[in-house]
Amino acid sequence: DAKTTQPNSMESNEEEPVHLPCNHSTISGTDYIHWYRQLPSQGPEYVIHGLTSNVNNRMASLAIAEDRKSSTLILHRATLRDAAVYYCIPWGFGNEKLTFGTGTRLTIIP
Amino acid sequence: KAGVTQTPRYLIKTRGQQVTLSCSPISGHRSVSWYQQTPGQGLQFLFEYFSETQRNKGNFPGRFSGRQFSNSRSEMNVSTLELGDSALYLCASLDGRGGSTDTQYFGPGTRLTVL
Repeated sequence: DAKTTQPNSMESNEEEPVHLPCNHSTISGTDYIHWYRQLPSQGPEYVIHGLTSNVNNRMASLAIAEDRKSSTLILHRATLRDAAVYYCIPWGFGNEKLTFGTGTRLTIIP
Repeated sequence: KAGVTQTPRYLIKTRGQQVTLSCSPISGHRSVSWYQQTPGQGLQFLFEYFSETQRNKGNFPGRFSGRQFSNSRSEMNVSTLELGDSALYLCASLDGRGGSTDTQYFGPGTRLTVL
């Protein structure tokens, strides 16, 4: 499994954009980059995933470096509901398990 | 569609006992995975079942076992409970066969406390 490095914690002001970085320098060429988040007292929930190009959905955007060794999850306008632990997970075909690292604990300041 | 459901939500057991946790995946999902979450070790993969067969297993002792039924519901069992088994046990169902673009949907978890 590819190893990931994320900051332990980050803070952001409410209604401002947040950029959550992740390094995954050992990612294989066919692994997708998935992001999940875990809100307090809940199970993890899917946020977004991508392979090479940038991706957008209603929750967030994912910017993937050209060499695929890093990616950034972008929350365009953070709300208090976005306070959670965010996990970046490379995931390949035939690998049924998600390998969670320590993630980034995001605190939103009102 | 209803989400992933887990029962019970909370459980208190004593050392040496055994426990069975239940998970019902989202309708139509055939894969169920189990994870253990503790403050010290984080989220760790236990095992995964697809169409009643265990496909993948994490590094846990044999006291941890599971099974999946023909309706895709899954159970996990922990025998001879130890204090260190106190954790949040999460179940997730997969919306595909295990491809890179699949999404895992997690239940709320079962909080097990071993006294």
